[in-house]
Amino acid sequence: AQSVTQPDIHITVSEGASLELRCNYSYGATPYLFWYVQSPGQGLQLLLKYFSGDTLVQGIKGFEAEFKRSQSSFNLRKPSVHWSDAAEYFCGGGYNKLIFGAGTRLAVHP
Amino acid sequence: NAGVMQNPRHLVRRRGQEARLRCSPMKGHSHVYWYRQLPEEGLKFMVYLQKENIIDESGMPKERFSAEFPKEGPSILRIQQVVRGDSAAYFCASSSGLAENYEQYFGPGTRLTVT
Repeated sequence: AQSVTQPDIHITVSEGASLELRCNYSYGATPYLFWYVQSPGQGLQLLLKYFSGDTLVQGIKGFEAEFKRSQSSFNLRKPSVHWSDAAEYFCGGGYNKLIFGAGTRLAVHP
Repeated sequence: NAGVMQNPRHLVRRRGQEARLRCSPMKGHSHVYWYRQLPEEGLKFMVYLQKENIIDESGMPKERFSAEFPKEGPSILRIQQVVRGDSAAYFCASSSGLAENYEQYFGPGTRLTVT
């Protein structure tokens, strides 16, 4: 069965530090993968997506993610975190029926 | 270009009442999806609709839940005889349905509280 796993429930980083959020997927074929961000009480905003082509994907707000088929991973990265990045981040995959991971809640210390 | 609109944003119902959640997709989008987010959990797919058709309802509970997307007007998610376990955030998303463009745009959600 298709599934997405986000191993880290909570992550805390200092402002200005680098960030990597982990995501592992289980799909039979080449998946459509994505990362969304959700601020408290808000809807979801798409950060970036991968369907095919270059495995390093650039997104909004300075985020990037790398698709690694050999590791079944699609980790999200940002070189320098800002306080406004504090939110919940969801990795997922699918086409019409999107499957989401459980989310990683990011806290940013000043 | 207005995004996906959902109303109401907050809805309180007593056990046994009916809840109706509305979703207006982005302009030009004819595909609508509903997801449920329980507290401290990720989003779970419920149903996928196109105009006047249910395409995939594999995530819908077998009883009390129904969804429609009529030719005119918003998509409606209806929950009959609500129970406390229905308390959640319900998100609607829409997409263009164009080939190889699977991006779904999400609305702000309706937060349902059952008392």
